[in-house]
Amino acid sequence: TQLLEQSPQFLSIQEGENLTVYCNSSSVFSSLQWYRQEPGEGPVLLVTVVTGGEVKKLKRLTFQFGDARKDSSLHITAAQPGDTGLYLCAGATDSSYKLIFGSGTRLLVRP
Amino acid sequence: DAMVIQNPRYQVTQFGKPVTLSCSQTLNHNVMYWYQQKSSQAPKLLFHYYDKDFNNEADTPDNFQSRRPNTSFCFLDIRSPGLGDAAMYLCATSRVGHSYNEQFFGPGTRLTVL
Repeated sequence: TQLLEQSPQFLSIQEGENLTVYCNSSSVFSSLQWYRQEPGEGPVLLVTVVTGGEVKKLKRLTFQFGDARKDSSLHITAAQPGDTGLYLCAGATDSSYKLIFGSGTRLLVRP
Repeated sequence: DAMVIQNPRYQVTQFGKPVTLSCSQTLNHNVMYWYQQKSSQAPKLLFHYYDKDFNNEADTPDNFQSRRPNTSFCFLDIRSPGLGDAAMYLCATSRVGHSYNEQFFGPGTRLTVL
């Protein structure tokens, strides 16, 4: 069974601080997606990483896919209250069109 | 804009009273998924349709059924809701064979069971 372990589960930080969220697995994924979900809404796709070692930036968010395509990280620089939400990583494989979701990281950025 | 739409956004039902949640998409994606999500946990896949082919997850209770009358619409039927079925229900779509199986989610329906 493929699993994605996401850490930390919960993070409460002050506005302006930096943070990193990790997504780890013993399995190889063909791609990995990061979603952000605000309270009462559905997850919104932020980015998809495909190539081992790939780095993608989305304003203050930096996403990295591990060289072996088993892990990924999300780094937020100078967090803002608008970054508050549930961050979910999800892995895809070539053999299935279902996603394997991480357990999620609930981020609270205090003004 | 192409999107995934869910109706209603909030649904209140009584214990044991059947309820239907709806999802529509303008993305023309061939796969539609239904997820259950409870209190900031990861979404849990209930079932999905690949075109007209229905695929049930092994641990999805029989109480949950689904219909996909055409490409654009998909319904989730809960035959006899229990208190434990109170959750956010998310519909998602993807286009298999394209774009790394990225899934696009609707805004969700929050189900309350009284």
